[in-house]
Amino acid sequence: SSELTQDPAVSVALGQTVRITCQGDSLRSYYASWYQQKPGQAPVLVIYGKNNRPSGIPDRFSGSSSGNTASLTITGAQAEDEADYYCNSRDSSGNHRVVFGGGTKLTVL
Amino acid sequence: EVQLVESGGGLVQPGGSLRLSCAASGFTFSSYEMNWVRQAPGKGLEWVSYISSSGSTIYYADSVKGRFTISRDNAKNSLYLQMNSLRAEDTAVYYCARSADYDILTGYDYWGQGTLVTVSS
Repeated sequence: SSELTQDPAVSVALGQTVRITCQGDSLRSYYASWYQQKPGQAPVLVIYGKNNRPSGIPDRFSGSSSGNTASLTITGAQAEDEADYYCNSRDSSGNHRVVFGGGTKLTVL
Repeated sequence: EVQLVESGGGLVQPGGSLRLSCAASGFTFSSYEMNWVRQAPGKGLEWVSYISSSGSTIYYADSVKGRFTISRDNAKNSLYLQMNSLRAEDTAVYYCARSADYDILTGYDYWGQGTLVTVSS
């Protein structure tokens, strides 16, 4: 099976840029999707594919990928961006499974 | 407006069964693939199961295969998860999520608010 690894916690000063990463072998074959989850709420899709944002997601959110690492970048982080962020992708074993990263808690200082 | 509303969660003893439902509205339910994703208290997200729009293709996580059954009733705009032989480690908030067009297996563009399942004696 495949795993996706994320840093447990990241912090950023208000208005600065932060990158949240996701590593895993499956990312060499598949794009990651990124989800934002605030306390007590359901996750929200923020980035998918090469670098696509669903309607309503601010353009300060962007995505990129290189080798086995996918990244979510927030340019000019806002207080409301403080949340948990999860990546996911297909399992590269070809068994039609989905894997999630363990999540990154983003703190905006 | 797309809405997904889960129900059926609650307290159940180990070894017991529970059936979750997800009522969909605001979109053509029969045209979309659907999923269940769960989150144990204080933990991360875990994919549980996928079902195609017609119900003909189904996938499960290894952790629930053989115990859980996903199904849907397109006439009732509803998604279900039958959970049998429940274990303490199945305790989680269970979300239903609609598959996004760009990747029907890993992309979830709408989520319900979740229903809590607690497995405890």
